[in-house]
Amino acid sequence: DTGVSQDPRHKITKRGQNVTFRCDPISEHNRLYWYRQTLGQGPEFLTYFQNEAQLEKSRLLSDRFSAERPKGSFSTLEIQRTEQGDSAMYLCASSYYQTTNEKLFFGSGTQLSVL
Amino acid sequence: DAKTTQPNSMESNEEEPVHLPCNHSTISGTDYIHWYRQLPSQGPEYVIHGLTSNVNNRMASLAIAEDRKSSTLILHRATLRDAAVYYCISGMTTDSWGKLQFGAGTQVVVTP
Repeated sequence: DTGVSQDPRHKITKRGQNVTFRCDPISEHNRLYWYRQTLGQGPEFLTYFQNEAQLEKSRLLSDRFSAERPKGSFSTLEIQRTEQGDSAMYLCASSYYQTTNEKLFFGSGTQLSVL
Repeated sequence: DAKTTQPNSMESNEEEPVHLPCNHSTISGTDYIHWYRQLPSQGPEYVIHGLTSNVNNRMASLAIAEDRKSSTLILHRATLRDAAVYYCISGMTTDSWGKLQFGAGTQVVVTP
């Protein structure tokens, strides 16, 4: 297992376009998280799934953002009608959750630039 | 809002220990203290976590104050590969340890 992988690594788009990112978690991990990170700041939680169920969405996640995790495996994060303020690093993480000692394993992220 | 306070940056010489402080004065009795680090151009990486007593693993040691209002992450022998932003995180319930509330962290610079 090579860890959490994200695709693409970089995405440049024009304002108003839609973009979609993919995350492949570590196999057997039942939880998957999306975070967003802007330059000089720590990552901010966006949403997470347990298996295929989306359990929580941050208020940071506007209605232009949608995330899915069909069949509880890979996940996609789509941003519709992108804005310049959406420019950031989008990080995916996965974990095997039981009751305690949950540790997140992060991917290297997708860097989005909205022109 | 992040519930911890860390210095913005720290410098260390290679092969010397690094002590990274963290204040979490509003911590509750059941909150664990987690540390992650982020190397350049990578996602964060788990380092260590603890509740009350000191903890050790292959990466680092975590010393927790008796009143639990502060803690220190100890890198015993810094290497150039330890140059990263280190995040001290607390305040999550045990069913939501994945909802990490990152602050700005401490930038560790290691000089040869």
